[in-house]
Amino acid sequence: KNEVEQSPQNLTAQEGEFITINCSYSVGISALHWLQQHPGGGIVSLFMLSSGKKKHGRLIATINIQEKHSSLHITASHPRDSAVYICAGMNYGGSQGNLIFGKGTKLSVKP
Amino acid sequence: EPEVTQTPSHQVTQMGQEVILRCVPISNHLYFYWYRQILGQKVEFLVSFYNNEISEKSEIFDDQFSVERPDGSNFTLKIRSTKLEDSAMYFCASSEDRIINTGELFFGEGSRLTVL
Repeated sequence: KNEVEQSPQNLTAQEGEFITINCSYSVGISALHWLQQHPGGGIVSLFMLSSGKKKHGRLIATINIQEKHSSLHITASHPRDSAVYICAGMNYGGSQGNLIFGKGTKLSVKP
Repeated sequence: EPEVTQTPSHQVTQMGQEVILRCVPISNHLYFYWYRQILGQKVEFLVSFYNNEISEKSEIFDDQFSVERPDGSNFTLKIRSTKLEDSAMYFCASSEDRIINTGELFFGEGSRLTVL
């Protein structure tokens, strides 16, 4: 059964700190999405990764296919980064919308 | 910036009633999806839709659920006879192409359904 596990479940940081959120996934998952869920509930897709590394602004996502592990890093964290970060696994086959979601990491950045 | 819009933002209904949740995907998108998130739990895939037919569905998406693209813009999720356990946030999403090709998936803000 395809699974996605995230850690930590909760994370509190001070403004400016470097943050890392981890995601491990099972065999059968070929790519990962990183998503941000706002306090109001809306979801924004941040990255899709099948190999290597991607960067957007202060966000960096990496994936290690051999170890089946991905990380999301936030540099110079800010209170507006406070949200739930979710990784979701995807298979190449099918519609690809059939994502396997992790439980999410709730990040709180204090000023 | 184009966005996926969902209505209503919140609906309260009695158990056994039919509910229709509406979504307007981004206009040039061809792939459409519904997900749900029960309060405090993971987001779960319900169904994907392409070329006017369901391309994939989960075990959750039983005969009580149906989807439709009644015109060129709307994409609806119908729950025929709601149960208490259908209470959740329902998210619509769309993509222009297969997700592996674009890496992009756009979500709406969600419709919260409360079944009493």
